Amino acid sequence: AQSVAQPEDQVNVAEGNPLTVKCTYSVSGNPYLFWYVQYPNRGLQFLLKYITGDNLVKGSYGFEAEFNKSQTSFHLKKPSALVSDSALYFCAVRDRANAGNMLTFGGGTRLMVKP
Amino acid sequence: NAGVTQTPKFQVLKTGQSMTLQCAQDMNHEYMSWYRQDPGMGLRLIHYSVGAGITDQGEVPNGYNVSRSTTEDFPLRLLSAAPSQTSVYFCASRGQMNTEAFFGQGTRLTVV
Repeated sequence: AQSVAQPEDQVNVAEGNPLTVKCTYSVSGNPYLFWYVQYPNRGLQFLLKYITGDNLVKGSYGFEAEFNKSQTSFHLKKPSALVSDSALYFCAVRDRANAGNMLTFGGGTRLMVKP
Repeated sequence: NAGVTQTPKFQVLKTGQSMTLQCAQDMNHEYMSWYRQDPGMGLRLIHYSVGAGITDQGEVPNGYNVSRSTTEDFPLRLLSAAPSQTSVYFCASRGQMNTEAFFGQGTRLTVV
């Protein structure tokens, strides 16, 4: 079984400040980890992924995420938030042991960036 | 290259009615899946397919049927709509060599 927890329903940050959106996961094997973003009335857009190798992965729009195996976490970060980053963010996991595995999502975190 | 296309974008049904949500992808992806999105619950897997002719149940399959007669299409059927099926539905696809999934724009369904 695989699961994802996003402990914060909402994160508020001022424009220009760094942001962190938290994610922890559970899988029986080794994970593929993903972050997706959803803007109002839109589908999910892929932001970044961890497959293997460097624990710090960089993605679209200046976002990055750090994979921490010992803490089973994959927190999303950005050094300087923009108002346009305000959206709903989803963390997702897939156990790489089975190619047919589908994604399991966290409950989502709403990011509000205030001017 | 359209990616993943879902139709309709919006639908209102009466309790007991049936309907089919359409999903098509033009990327020749083997894997396709349906999720429903409800506030605070993220996206939950309804049904999925690992190839034409092969489907399986996800986390919340009750009240829904799927079939996969072609690689491109993966329709989701609501047999007898209930208010609990009011949700936003997303279709996704992934190629065997891909790690990330690609999502459609969603179908917002209201059952009254």
